[in-house]
Amino acid sequence: SAVISQKPSRDICQRGTSLTIQCQVDSQVTMMFWYRQQPGQSLTLIATANQGSEATYESGFVIDKFPISRPNLTFSTLTVSNMSPEDSSIYLCSYTIWGTGTNTEAFFGQGTRLTVV
Amino acid sequence: DQQVKQNSPSLSVQEGRISILNCDYTNSMFDYFLWYKKYPAEGPTFLISISSIKDKNEDGRFTVFLNKSAKHLSLHIVPSQPGDSAVYFCAAIVYTNAGGTSYGKLTFGQGTILTVHP
Repeated sequence: SAVISQKPSRDICQRGTSLTIQCQVDSQVTMMFWYRQQPGQSLTLIATANQGSEATYESGFVIDKFPISRPNLTFSTLTVSNMSPEDSSIYLCSYTIWGTGTNTEAFFGQGTRLTVV
Repeated sequence: DQQVKQNSPSLSVQEGRISILNCDYTNSMFDYFLWYKKYPAEGPTFLISISSIKDKNEDGRFTVFLNKSAKHLSLHIVPSQPGDSAVYFCAAIVYTNAGGTSYGKLTFGQGTILTVHP
């Protein structure tokens, strides 16, 4: 399995500013996924990022608020724009390995804990 | 619409005993189910998965059972250890292949806090 490195691991930001989160995988993966975990909640998919095309956003998430870049098969960024305290969450990148039978796995970065004040 | 549900927010177990974590789902199109463990300030750690065509998968102390007719799966940890104390999430994927690219989005349950007492 490829290793995912995500940074920053945490940040405290002023409302109205933007933060870009980076995700680096040590081998090529086709699809990368960005998730959010709000305090006390489960993980929710924000968008799917495929290299060479625009990201696909889930209901409730828009590109202007969460622009995503996927310049190559090993790297992606998620920007949280014009932040408000409601954006305080853990943000995670992920990829999936499709195996045969029972060997399908999905891996996550370490997460970015964002606090907006 | 909560497609994946973990109805028990917490579970407390004695060290050495069995921990059973449950998960229910509503979407019969799910192809794979996965279990994760998550510690605070860390990303989820993959534990074990099962294909929808199987009813059991085992890996060391972890066994996942799938009952498709009941749309229910469970994770058994035996013997439980204090280091197993964490939040456990079940997740499900619908497998998609578009233009030769395979992918699937994870849908997570709410999580169950497992505490294993020494």
